[in-house]
Amino acid sequence: EAQVTQNPRYLITVTGKKLTVTCSQNMNHEYMSWYRQDPGLGLRQIYYSMNVEVTDKGDVPEGYKVSRKEKRNFPLILESPSPNQTSLYFCASSLSRSLSSYNEQFFGPGTRLTVL
Amino acid sequence: AQSVAQPEDQVNVAEGNPLTVKCTYSVSGNPYLFWYVQYPNRGLQFLLKYITGDNLVKGSYGFEAEFNKSQTSFHLKKPSALVSDSALYFCAVRDEYGGATNKLIFGTGTLLAVQP
Repeated sequence: EAQVTQNPRYLITVTGKKLTVTCSQNMNHEYMSWYRQDPGLGLRQIYYSMNVEVTDKGDVPEGYKVSRKEKRNFPLILESPSPNQTSLYFCASSLSRSLSSYNEQFFGPGTRLTVL
Repeated sequence: AQSVAQPEDQVNVAEGNPLTVKCTYSVSGNPYLFWYVQYPNRGLQFLLKYITGDNLVKGSYGFEAEFNKSQTSFHLKKPSALVSDSALYFCAVRDEYGGATNKLIFGTGTLLAVQP
């Protein structure tokens, strides 16, 4: 089954304790992205990757890191989480990184993170 | 700068009645427009998209959307609502000339509540 998977689905942690949220897709997609969803703000892009070893900042990158060592995986790293990073996080992928791409994005099931 | 607006936080409709979820956008070039649906505790699912061509686009689950260039709108519609359509709906836009990011700009979402 074609899908984007994320782990963990739920995570409660404390301020300053490093954590990683994994994201994996099995569709051979080139483009991957991380979003956070907050009430009243919709989805905001954190980081994106156009291809392996190519990553760039989205709209709200502060406090986050990513890596893209393999095409299928795009982990999100919080080196020192803070309470304002409490949110619902989504990973997404799409087929093409073309400048004119209109491919829809496929989303993972989400990771609900609480930072105390 | 590109943007998208969903003017209604919530839409209430009785089962069997037609529904409309509104979306307006602003882009520099031609828009690529998308609708996604989010069911409780799930990731976003693609419903439909407008790239070019016929202004009426048909998508999944009986939904359709009408592109209106003069009003810069892309409203989501369904002739007869079901209780199972109750969910959070997101409109998203990508500018044809948005550059290399393939970035989607999301609206803040509209909660659709269908009463039995």
